[in-house]
Amino acid sequence: AQSVAQPEDQVNVAEGNPLTVKCTYSVSGNPYLFWYVQYPNRGLQFLLKYITGDNLVKGSYGFEAEFNKSQTSFHLKKPSALVSDSALYFCAVRELGGGYQKVTFGTGTKLQVIP
Amino acid sequence: ETGVTQTPRHLVMGMTNKKSLKCEQHLGHNAMYWYKQSAKKPLELMFVYNFKEQTENNSVPSRFSPECPNSSHLFLHLHTLQPEDSALYLCASSQDPGARDQPQHFGDGTRLSIL
Repeated sequence: AQSVAQPEDQVNVAEGNPLTVKCTYSVSGNPYLFWYVQYPNRGLQFLLKYITGDNLVKGSYGFEAEFNKSQTSFHLKKPSALVSDSALYFCAVRELGGGYQKVTFGTGTKLQVIP
Repeated sequence: ETGVTQTPRHLVMGMTNKKSLKCEQHLGHNAMYWYKQSAKKPLELMFVYNFKEQTENNSVPSRFSPECPNSSHLFLHLHTLQPEDSALYLCASSQDPGARDQPQHFGDGTRLSIL
């Protein structure tokens, strides 16, 4: 069975500093990995995905994520944090089963960017 | 604007009431999903519909009854709910249920409170 772990409930970072939100995964085959962001009173919004190819994936709002197969990790990064990046971030992995797609989400990491 | 619209945004109901949540997607997608989001818990997949056919019922109690009259509309009928059912209910859609690389598009959710 597939699983996703986000080891940090909350990450605090000063505005302008680099940020990292951690994610590790477990799947039986090749992983399809996603990051989503949720702002207050909103639904989840797709940020970026890793399917195959380059281990560094670039996404929306200046975010990127690094896929590391040996460490089974897919950490979300941004070189310079903005206050507006404060939100809840979800890592997700997808597997194939029964002819439809089932996504497993992590528990989420709250990012707080301090002015 | 995500292309997925959920109504109502907020709903307060008693345990004996009957109400329905509505989801409409304007993206031409073929798969639709219901999720339950509770505090400090991973996102819980409830139901999946592919081309109007239900393909997943993730052991959801019968007091939740989904309906998908066409690929653009999804309903969740609620009856005799319990206080622990209070949560944010999210609807999502994706283009092709057979493609693992496609992200899901989420609505902003219905915040449900059971008195």
